[in-house]
Formats: sequence, structure tokens, C-alpha cells
Amino acid sequence: EAQVTQNPRYLITVTGKKLTVTCSQNMNHEYMSWYRQDPGLGLRQIYYSMNVEVTDKGDVPEGYKVSRKEKRNFPLILESPSPNQTSLYFCASRGSGRSQETQYFGPGTRLLVL
Amino acid sequence: EDQVTQSPEALRLQEGESSSLNCSYTVSGLRGLFWYRQDPGKGPEFLFTLYSAGEEKEKERLKATLTKKESFLHITAPKPEDSATYLCAVQAYAGNNRKLIWGLGTSLAVNP
Repeated sequence: EAQVTQNPRYLITVTGKKLTVTCSQNMNHEYMSWYRQDPGLGLRQIYYSMNVEVTDKGDVPEGYKVSRKEKRNFPLILESPSPNQTSLYFCASRGSGRSQETQYFGPGTRLLVL
Repeated sequence: EDQVTQSPEALRLQEGESSSLNCSYTVSGLRGLFWYRQDPGKGPEFLFTLYSAGEEKEKERLKATLTKKESFLHITAPKPEDSATYLCAVQAYAGNNRKLIWGLGTSLAVNP
């Protein structure tokens, strides 16, 4: 089954404690991205990756890091989480070419930073 | 500035009561317009992609249409299971990212 998986699904942490949210896709997609979703602000892109070892900032990259060492995986790293990073996070992937513009989303990771 | 606006913010329908959701957009060169459905606490689920004005797509009780300035998601004879937030996003010809610009969604509730 084609899918995007994220782990963990729920996470409660404290300010300053480094954490990583993993993302994996099994569709051999080149493009992957991370979003956060907040009430009244909608989906905002954090980082994206066009391919292995190619990453770039989205609209709200401050406080986040990413890496893309393998095509299927795109982890999101919060080096020193702060309460304003409490949010619902989604990983997404899509293929290349017009027929593959559709983005497929993971189930989400709900993060609470105390 | 590229922008997507969805209306209404919220809509409550009785089962069987047809209606339409609106997505108006301003982008410098439309590459595609996407409709997604999102259930609470879950990831957006893809519904449709529209590429050019005049294009229409259907899936069960849903039909999406596109003009040069807006898209409509028509819901015919909705059922309670159609209750969800419906998100619209556009993709513009802009650099390598080709990122999606998202609307805030329409929250639809269908009462039995």
C-alpha cells in the first residue's frame, strides 16, 4: 500500500529537549516536505527536499532542521524545542512530472512543548 | 501576492441538501489546483487536481470545477460521512519548489 508514515504520532516534551520526528514514504517520490498546521493559519511549509541531499527552507523554517540521506526518509529535527513549536506536523511527498503533482500526506504528529 | 481564499469558513447542511464550496485564488501562473479532504487530527486526503479553466472532475457525491479565478466543490445530496474540512490549494509556476499555497479550509458538517 502506497503511504507516508510518521513517528511518533503524539509527543509531549519539554523546552530545550532535542527531538526527531521521522517520515518515510514507499512511493519512490523525489519531493518531500514538512508542514505545520495551526488554527487560523492553515498549512505552512517548514522545509522541503527536491531529492537526496537537496533540501531548502519553506515559509517557516526557524527552529527546525531536516536531512535527506535516503530517498524514502525525511526526518524533521527540533534541536531546542520551544512552546511556540507546539503544533500538528505533517510530512508529505509527491513524484515529478505533471501527472505526479499530487502530494500525499502522512497521518500527522501532534507535538506539545511544555 | 499569491493567495487562496475559501468560503464559507463553516457550513452546516442537512443530509441530502446540496451545496457548493468556493475557492478563489490569485496566482502568477496556475500550474494546478488541488482539493483535499481532512478529517480531524488526520492528514489531508487528496480528492481532485484541476489544471485548466473549464475542467471538471467528479467522485461520488463531489464535483470540482475550475474557472480562471476560482474553483467550486459541489456536494450533491451529502451524507453525514461527508463531514470534514475541505482544503483548496494552488500550485504556481514559481522556482524549483513549486510549493502549494493553501486556503484555510471550509469546515462542513452534515446532519442526519
